[in-house]
Amino acid sequence: AQRVTQPEKLLSVFKGAPVELKCNYSYSGSPELFWYVQYSRQRLQLLLRHISRESIKGFTADLNKGETSFHLKKPFAQEEDSAMYYCALKYTDKLIFGTGTRLQVFP
Amino acid sequence: KAGVTQTPRYLIKTRGQQVTLSCSPISGHRSVSWYQQTPGQGLQFLFEYFSETQRNKGNFPGRFSGRQFSNSRSEMNVSTLELGDSALYLCASSLVGGDYGYTFGSGTRLTVV
Repeated sequence: AQRVTQPEKLLSVFKGAPVELKCNYSYSGSPELFWYVQYSRQRLQLLLRHISRESIKGFTADLNKGETSFHLKKPFAQEEDSAMYYCALKYTDKLIFGTGTRLQVFP
Repeated sequence: KAGVTQTPRYLIKTRGQQVTLSCSPISGHRSVSWYQQTPGQGLQFLFEYFSETQRNKGNFPGRFSGRQFSNSRSEMNVSTLELGDSALYLCASSLVGGDYGYTFGSGTRLTVV
């Protein structure tokens, strides 16, 4: 069955520290993966799509098919990065979300 | 360019009642999906509509239904409300297939008392 796993509920770092939010997926086909972010009191926003291989707000994510992972990384965290992050797998025109990781960046 | 608009923002209903939520997608987006977000279950897919046809349905009871109109606007209906239906209901729109991602609305917060 298709599944997305985000093992960490909460990740706390200090400003300027590197960040890695983990995401593993279970899918036998060629995956289409996304990272969404939800800032406090704001709507869910698309952060990254793996097919575009872009960097948004300093975040990058690389698809590793061998490890079935799509970890989100940022070399230097900022306080404004504090939010809830969701990894999602697109499957038959629907998104399967992980349970999310709350990132807290302390000053 | 207007985003995805959901109305109403908040609803309080009594057990046993029914409720209808509305979603207006981004202009040009023909696919509309609905998700339920709760603290316990996270984000769960309800259903997806494209060109007025339901293409996909999640694992929810038949009390949850939806439809899409010719202008791509969508509604979802929940009948015989239960306390467990209290949640944030999110609508997302996309171009065909969602290859460029889905744009979400702010949601409708439903509270069942």
